[in-house]
Amino acid sequence: AQRVTQPEKLLSVFKGAPVELKCNYSYSGSPELFWYVQYSRQRLQLLLRHISRESIKGFTADLNKGETSFHLKKPFAQEEDSAMYYCALSGPKAAGNKLTFGGGTRVLVKP
Amino acid sequence: EPEVTQTPSHQVTQMGQEVILRCVPISNHLYFYWYRQILGQKVEFLVSFYNNEISEKSEIFDDQFSVERPDGSNFTLKIRSTKLEDSAMYFCASSDTSPSSYEQYFGPGTRLTVT
Repeated sequence: AQRVTQPEKLLSVFKGAPVELKCNYSYSGSPELFWYVQYSRQRLQLLLRHISRESIKGFTADLNKGETSFHLKKPFAQEEDSAMYYCALSGPKAAGNKLTFGGGTRVLVKP
Repeated sequence: EPEVTQTPSHQVTQMGQEVILRCVPISNHLYFYWYRQILGQKVEFLVSFYNNEISEKSEIFDDQFSVERPDGSNFTLKIRSTKLEDSAMYFCASSDTSPSSYEQYFGPGTRLTVT
């Protein structure tokens, strides 16, 4: 069975401080990993995916297959980063695969 | 930029009543999904739909649930006889078949309250 765990429900940091959101997964095979973000009163939207290896809004995430982790990091948090962040997993790269979500981490960036 | 839309934004219904939640996926997308999120819990997969049939469904998606694409634009989720525990936020999503991107685009959700 596939499972995604986000151990922190809430992360509160000051503006300019680093922030790291933890994500661990369980999957027998080679999954696709994603981070979705939901800003206040907005829809879920894709932030980044591991296969693209890109940095979006200063966020990066590295897939560590040995530790089955996909932690999200940003070196200098901004107030506009305050949002709900969800780690998600799907099966190998193919159209139509379902997403399995973690429980989400609420990030609050204080001025 | 094209977006997935959902109606209504909030639906209140009595236990035992049928509800239909509506979604308009992005026009050139071919895969459609329903997810739900009970308050305080995870976003959970319900069903995926492709080529006019269900491609995968979860244990949650029992005989009370059905999906339909009645025309070229709408994608609906029907709950035949609602229960209190069906109260949740229901999200529709769609994705295309381009090998370069299987990103799922989500709608804003419909909050279903069963009383």
